[in-house]
Amino acid sequence: QMQLQESGPGLVKPSGTLSLTCSVSYDSISNTHWWTWVRQPPGKGLEWIGEIQYSGTTNYNPSLKSRVTISLDKSKNQFSLSLTSVTAADTAVYYCACSTGWWRIDHWGQGTLVTASS
Amino acid sequence: EIVLTQSPGTLSLSPGERATLSCRASQSVSSNYLAWYQQKPGQAPRLLIYGASTRATGIPDRFSGSVSGTDFTLTISRLEPEDFAVYYCQQYGSSMYTFGQGTKLEIK
Repeated sequence: QMQLQESGPGLVKPSGTLSLTCSVSYDSISNTHWWTWVRQPPGKGLEWIGEIQYSGTTNYNPSLKSRVTISLDKSKNQFSLSLTSVTAADTAVYYCACSTGWWRIDHWGQGTLVTASS
Repeated sequence: EIVLTQSPGTLSLSPGERATLSCRASQSVSSNYLAWYQQKPGQAPRLLIYGASTRATGIPDRFSGSVSGTDFTLTISRLEPEDFAVYYCQQYGSSMYTFGQGTKLEIK
């Protein structure tokens, strides 16, 4: 059973860049899955950030597209999220996740809280 | 962008009762692209239903999904104590996912 684990700083300064990495276990990042990031502000609902496939093809939420980059590191079996020009509104639990098909997200990491604050 | 509107916002029921949760799409959504998730406090979402009506691996058969036009429904036939949580619907279209705002199912 695939396992996903987020890692990265829990605190980012406003106007800075949020960087998170997701380590994938018991599956290969080179499989034909879509590797995904979703976030959830405290007490609020889920927001899809974007996804990347093994080929490098990406899709991003239009509301975040100008600030987001998702990338793969096949040598480390990881994928990453970069979000620039962070504000307090970017404070959220960030989940890395995976869709193995059928347009649903069927594997999730435990999530990591990132706070944008000085 | 397709907007998903879930109702009610909060549903108060007792164990053993039947729960009916609604998700309405602002425009036509293929049934293939509609999923439901359960989220408990402090936990990641858990996939329950995909393709509008197919249960994910390990999901009890008291959970079922259905569709009528742009209205999607998640039904829990007989509530167990562990079913009280927040439920989200999700659709995929135009190369992006969108989620409904969630329905909180609480113990009455």
